[in-house]
Parts: sequence; structure tokens; C-alpha cells
Amino acid sequence: EVHLVESGGGLVKPGGSLRLSCAASGFTFSNAWMHWVRQAPGKGLEWVARIKSETDGGITSYAGPVKGRFTISRDDSRNTLYLQMNSLRTEDTAVYYCTTYLVEACDYWGQGTLVTVSS
Amino acid sequence: QSALTQPPSASGSPGQSVTISCTGTSSDVGGYNYVSWYQQHPGKAPKLMIYEVTKRPSGVPDRFSGSKSGDTASLTVSGLQAEDEADYYCSSYAGSNNLVFGGGTKLTVL
Repeated sequence: EVHLVESGGGLVKPGGSLRLSCAASGFTFSNAWMHWVRQAPGKGLEWVARIKSETDGGITSYAGPVKGRFTISRDDSRNTLYLQMNSLRTEDTAVYYCTTYLVEACDYWGQGTLVTVSS
Repeated sequence: QSALTQPPSASGSPGQSVTISCTGTSSDVGGYNYVSWYQQHPGKAPKLMIYEVTKRPSGVPDRFSGSKSGDTASLTVSGLQAEDEADYYCSSYAGSNNLVFGGGTKLTVL
């Protein structure tokens, strides 16, 4: 059974940094493309970033609002996905979900971790 | 990349059918057969219901179906049940390795 567990969320001041982690199990993590998707309180889903498998080059891509501030990475030896978030803004406040992309869609989701950016 | 356009709300009585639309452009919905739909109950993580326009993951009832015509995709829920009441989001591949989501539709079972 696929299991994704996000961690690392919390309260941070504007301009601060935070690193989210997503521990994966139940599938071959090293073969999987992975995504981060966020949801601001009371709002809809917003795609954040994607990383391909290392065999597919480990290529990353980002949504416009986070490009240059966020970095997605993976450690296949630890079956863990990361999201390094720098220069955080109040508009980055959201629940952050990690998702698998085993088919051409975000097929499995974690329970999410809340990031609050506030002074 | 602009969000896909969904109606904010939809409703139907138990047993009826309801269709939710998702309108994009030729750069996303119209350009690729990679439209997916997600169901989200309050306080829960989204759940994949439809992928690649028409495919259902294992375990999703066949009451849920997807289609696409031009730049607009649709999700149809037949034989509405109380547990179908939730928020529904569409998503599409948008080129350049990006994804885009719709604004979401709140489905109410009357």
C-alpha cells in the first residue's frame, strides 16, 4: 500500500525558510516522478513543483509563483522527497501535499503539512 | 499559467446525474489527453477519480466518468449518492513540464 507522510511544516516569519519532507513507502520510490501541490486555507489546489526520477534525469520544474525561491529534491536512498522553501511570503501559507505521479496524474497523496507564514 | 475554469457549484438529487465542466485552452486541456479529476472531502486529502480524460483508478465507482471536447473537459457523476458531496478539481498537463488545476467545484447532493 502506498503511503506518503509529510512533515516539516510550521509557523515561519516572512522572509524565512522551511524544509518540508515526504517519507514514501509501498512503491518503488526511485522510479517515481513526484510532485508538491499546495492548498491555501479555504482555497483550491495549486501545483508547486515536480521532480522526475533519476533515471529520467531528475529534472525539476516549478510553478511561476515559487520559481527561484523553492527547490524540490529527492533522496532515493531514504525514499524521501523534499521541498526547500526560501524567502517565504504570506501568500505561501497553505497545506502542502506530496503526491506520486505513477500514472499521468497525481495518484496518491499524503495527509499534508501546514505552513503558516506570518509575522 | 492561468487556472482552469470550473463552475463554483453544482448540485443534484440522489439518483440523478450531474456534470461538472473544466475549461482551459489549447495549451493545456485542448492540447493533451492528460486531464484528471480529484474529489476532496472537508479536511481530507484529494483523491484521484479520473485520469487521462476517461480512465478510472481501481476502486473508483463506474458512476464517475470523464470526457473531453476541444478545450473543455467534463466529469459526470451518475446515480448521485450522499457520499459524493465534496469539492471536485480538474487538472491538466500544461506543457513545459507544468501542471495546472481548476478552481474547484462544490458538489451538493440535495
